[in-house]
This record gives sequence, structure tokens and C-alpha cells, in this order.
Amino acid sequence: DAMVIQNPRYQVTQFGKPVTLSCSQTLNHNVMYWYQQKSSQAPKLLFHYYDKDFNNEADTPDNFQSRRPNTSFCFLDIRSPGLGDAAMYLCATSRGTGGNNQPQHFGDGTRLSIL
Amino acid sequence: SQKIEQNSEALNIQEGKTATLTCNYTNYSPAYLQWYRQDPGRGPVFLLLIRENEKEKRKERLKVTFDTTLKQSLFHITASQPADSATYLCAPGAGSYQLTFGKGTKLSVIP
Repeated sequence: DAMVIQNPRYQVTQFGKPVTLSCSQTLNHNVMYWYQQKSSQAPKLLFHYYDKDFNNEADTPDNFQSRRPNTSFCFLDIRSPGLGDAAMYLCATSRGTGGNNQPQHFGDGTRLSIL
Repeated sequence: SQKIEQNSEALNIQEGKTATLTCNYTNYSPAYLQWYRQDPGRGPVFLLLIRENEKEKRKERLKVTFDTTLKQSLFHITASQPADSATYLCAPGAGSYQLTFGKGTKLSVIP
């Protein structure tokens, strides 16, 4: 089945130690998104790619970076995680036509814990 | 700034009844609005999309309305079942590709 896969499902890192989260998709969608979701909160968009064009949300901390080496893969790098970065990180994709008149397809997320 | 409010954090209803969830938004005019279901520990799953020129959209037991004058969308689940228990998120379109999600309403259907 075509899908969005996030690895790992659970990630534990130490305060200040860089961490990378991965996302892959078999849907061949142009657009890929990274969201942060804290408990009982709305998913918050961090950034998105349209093909290789990177779009950062204005309030996304500089601590968060992303790479998209090809259509299928996208990475979220947190350079120096703080305790406030503990959250579920969701990757999503959508078709590149029609703007946000397209459903987004989500992975099951990576839950990040900071020690 | 754009603001989205979903009527309550939690809603409990009896099996077989109709659940109605509310989504209100302020400070923008989305051309369409999406609804998602999220189960604990899982990513959101797309349910329905409604455009500003559509008053109502249906899919099986689900119905969504969109009132651009009231800046409100209603999401109905008829003949609710315990398997419908989940958090439901509304997401008005915010920009060219971005969605802005509400916090969601946690629905519990009691047998």
C-alpha cells in the first residue's frame, strides 16, 4: 500500500544532542510537510517542501532544519534539542496541484523524548 | 492572527445518536476546510473536504457543513458507534498549501 512511513516511532535523545527524524513516502507527492504536535494540542506546521522548494513557517525556531534529498525522503534535524521540543513529530504529503484543496496523508509520527 | 476553535475538548454521546462537532474560525477566509480523524498515537487521517461554495458534503455516515457567513463548519456523525471514538480535527485552508489545524474534539461514543 502506498503510504507515509516515519522512523523511528519513538526517539529518545539527550538535551542538546542533535537528532534526525526520517520520513519516506510511496505516494509520489510533490509536497511534504513537517508538523509538531504536543499533547492535546493542534498539529503545528514547521515547514513544507514543494518539490525542492523549502518554505519555513515564520515562527519555526532556527533549531529546526529540514532536508529533502529526493521526492521520496524528507528529514527533520533538531540541532540542539531542548526540553520544550519533546513532542510528536508528524510528516505528511499532498499532491502538488490545487493548493491546499488536497488532502494531506500523514505518517504515524515519531514521538521524541528529551532526557 | 488566525484562530480556530473547536467547540469542546471532549464530547460524550450514546451509541446510535448523532454527534455534532463545531469548528469556528476567525481572522481569515478559507476557500475550503478539511476534517481529519486522529486516534491516540497515530497520525491524522483525512475524512472530508468542503469548499466555500458547497453548503454541505456527505460521505457515508458523515456530513459536513460550511457557513462562510458564520465562519463555522459543523461535522456530524449519524448512528454513532464506539469505533467512531477518536479526536476530530478541523483544518481550514490557510495559504497555498498550508492547513491550520484546530486542537480537536475528543469524541467518546458510549455503548
